[in-house]
Amino acid sequence: AQSVTQLGSHVSVSEGALVLLRCNYSSSVPPYLFWYVQYPNQGLQLLLKYTSAATLVKGINGFEAEFKKSETSFHLTKPSAHMSDAAEYFCAVGGSQGNLIFGKGTKLSVKP
Amino acid sequence: DGGITQSPKYLFRKEGQNVTLSCEQNLNHDAMYWYRQDPGQGLRLIYYSQIVNDFQKGDIAEGYSVSREKKESFPLTVTSAQKNPTAFYLCASSILAGPPNTGELFFGEGSRLTVL
Repeated sequence: AQSVTQLGSHVSVSEGALVLLRCNYSSSVPPYLFWYVQYPNQGLQLLLKYTSAATLVKGINGFEAEFKKSETSFHLTKPSAHMSDAAEYFCAVGGSQGNLIFGKGTKLSVKP
Repeated sequence: DGGITQSPKYLFRKEGQNVTLSCEQNLNHDAMYWYRQDPGQGLRLIYYSQIVNDFQKGDIAEGYSVSREKKESFPLTVTSAQKNPTAFYLCASSILAGPPNTGELFFGEGSRLTVL
């Protein structure tokens, strides 16, 4: 069975600082991994996805994530936070039912 | 523009009433999904459909029903049997039906249901 754990329900950074959002997964098959972003009262938007090609995946808005099989991790990073990055971020893994299985989310706050 | 349309965006319901949330997509995707979102709990799968006239229960299907009579439409009914229906409901679709799911999901803007 597949599952996702996001460490830290809230993360706060200063504008210009490094953003690091943690995601660990469990999967009985080679995983397909995703990061989504959600702004208040909106749907989810795909940031990036890992589909067994390069282990370092670049996404939109300057975000990237690195797949580390030995650590079963897929952490999301951005070198310099911007105020517009404040949102909730979800990590997900492809599920055996044909769906995506989501973590509980991490709310990112960016301080001026 | 192609996308997923959910309606209504906000809905209020009295206890004991059924309510239907609409989800329409013009992406020509085979698979469609309904998720429920509660604060701090992430997204939980209610129902999904990989083909017209067929659908499967997700993790929290009790108190909900769906239909898939057309490829582009996947309405969700929240019945009076759902004990705690107040939540944010998200519809999604994908081009790849899986399993496992290797493709991204495209989401609608969501419907917020409040039971008074």
